[in-house]
Amino acid sequence: NAGVTQTPKFQVLKTGQSMTLQCAQDMNHNSMYWYRQDPGMGLRLIYYSASEGTTDKGEVPNGYNVSRLNKREFSLRLESAAPSQTSVYFCASSEYPQPGEGYTFGSGTRLTVV
Amino acid sequence: AQSVTQLGSHVSVSEGALVLLRCNYSSSVPPYLFWYVQYPNQGLQLLLKYTSAATLVKGINGFEAEFKKSETSFHLTKPSAHMSDAAEYFCAVSSSIYNQGGKLIFGQGTELSVKP
Repeated sequence: NAGVTQTPKFQVLKTGQSMTLQCAQDMNHNSMYWYRQDPGMGLRLIYYSASEGTTDKGEVPNGYNVSRLNKREFSLRLESAAPSQTSVYFCASSEYPQPGEGYTFGSGTRLTVV
Repeated sequence: AQSVTQLGSHVSVSEGALVLLRCNYSSSVPPYLFWYVQYPNQGLQLLLKYTSAATLVKGINGFEAEFKKSETSFHLTKPSAHMSDAAEYFCAVSSSIYNQGGKLIFGQGTELSVKP
C-alpha cells in the first residue's frame, strides 16, 4: 500500500525558476490537498481539490497553481520561485465527503529557493 | 471560521511522566477534532480523532484526548511518556458539516521532548 506518493523528496531552485511538485494517491480518495509547513506556523493550506475536476484556494495560494490531472494525481506548480517559498510541502488525501476521516499524508517535499 | 491554538511550542517531560499537550479550538459549527504526530523527516500520522461520538477518544501508542465543549478544548494526554514519543504533535479542526470540503485547519504544533 503506497498511500500518498510525492516527488521529488528534495529540490533546490534558483529564484525565478519554475517547477512542479507531483502527488499521487492509490486509495481512490476523492479529495486532495496541498499544505506547506514552516517552523512555528504549523501547516497552512495552499490549494485543495474536493473532487476530480474542481480546485479551490486555501489560506496561502499566492505564487502557486494546481492541476487535478485525474482522480489519482494532484500537482502543485511554482511558476517563478521566490525565497519565501522555501518550505516543506505536503500532499494529503481524504475520502470526501466524509470530513471525519482525517487525511493520509505523503512524506513531503523539502524545497529550498536560493 | 475555524482556528486552533496549541499552548506551548515546546514541552519537555521525563521518561515515565505524564504527557499533556494542550489544544483549544474555535469553530462556528460543530467541529471534528484531530491529533496528528510527525516524526523527524516524515509526514503526519493520525493519532486519534473526535467525530461527535464519545467525548473521550483513545488513539494509537497509548494516547487519548477528551473533547470538552464548555472549555473548547481537546487536550492530548498519555499517562507515561516513552522515549519514542519524542516528535511534533499537531492539533487540527474541521467542520462536521457535509459539503464544506473537509478542510483541516492546523495548530502551530508542539514539539515534545522526552528526557531519560
